[in-house]
Amino acid sequence: SQQGEEDPQALSIQEGENATMNCSYKTSINNLQWYRQNSGRGLVHLILIRSNEREKHSGRLRVTLDTSKKSSSLLITASRAADTASYFCATAPGQNFVFGPGTRLSVLP
Amino acid sequence: GAGVSQSPRYKVAKRGQDVALRCDPISGHVSLFWYQQALGQGPEFLTYFQNEAQLDKSGLPSDRFFAERPEGSVSTLKIQRTQQEDSAVYLCASSWRRMENIQYFGAGTRLSVL
Repeated sequence: SQQGEEDPQALSIQEGENATMNCSYKTSINNLQWYRQNSGRGLVHLILIRSNEREKHSGRLRVTLDTSKKSSSLLITASRAADTASYFCATAPGQNFVFGPGTRLSVLP
Repeated sequence: GAGVSQSPRYKVAKRGQDVALRCDPISGHVSLFWYQQALGQGPEFLTYFQNEAQLDKSGLPSDRFFAERPEGSVSTLKIQRTQQEDSAVYLCASSWRRMENIQYFGAGTRLSVL
């Protein structure tokens, strides 16, 4: 079973709108990471948030972490067509990395 | 240097054939991971190396799957007697050191078993 679960599974928005994706996980973590995957490509690391952090920013990305609810959110502001991709959260509850099923984001021009 | 390189990018195999998938990690990266990704799903962990030592192979789905990294750099994932359910994208990732945890992924090998 997967540690992380993203929702929604799919999201379509217009260019310029904000996109919010959520991730829930099951066990305690040291950090949580978000990755992006364009169609036919490997995953690209976006941002890492540690368990003692509540919020982190990187450019147009904002990540929050609520360890009491075992959840995280990824906000992409002022979305662009190039943001169209699948987004995954990943945790390392033990020795391994566990990825959720992902949110497929479509940004329409 | 260059990123993680995987070859071949695409592989078509007849059921029962053996296949070998190659991963060239980023130079100097200690840790190397293999994942299997089904269509529309997230990557599923297969195995992990630290240098040449295979520290975790708990994700390998059967004894038909075998991975090695004999000199602590290039790794090969071998699948024997391929089955249709082995069709997936196989991703390789490397990281500088285990505790840093940020992984750099290759583009993957798409395996289709007919």
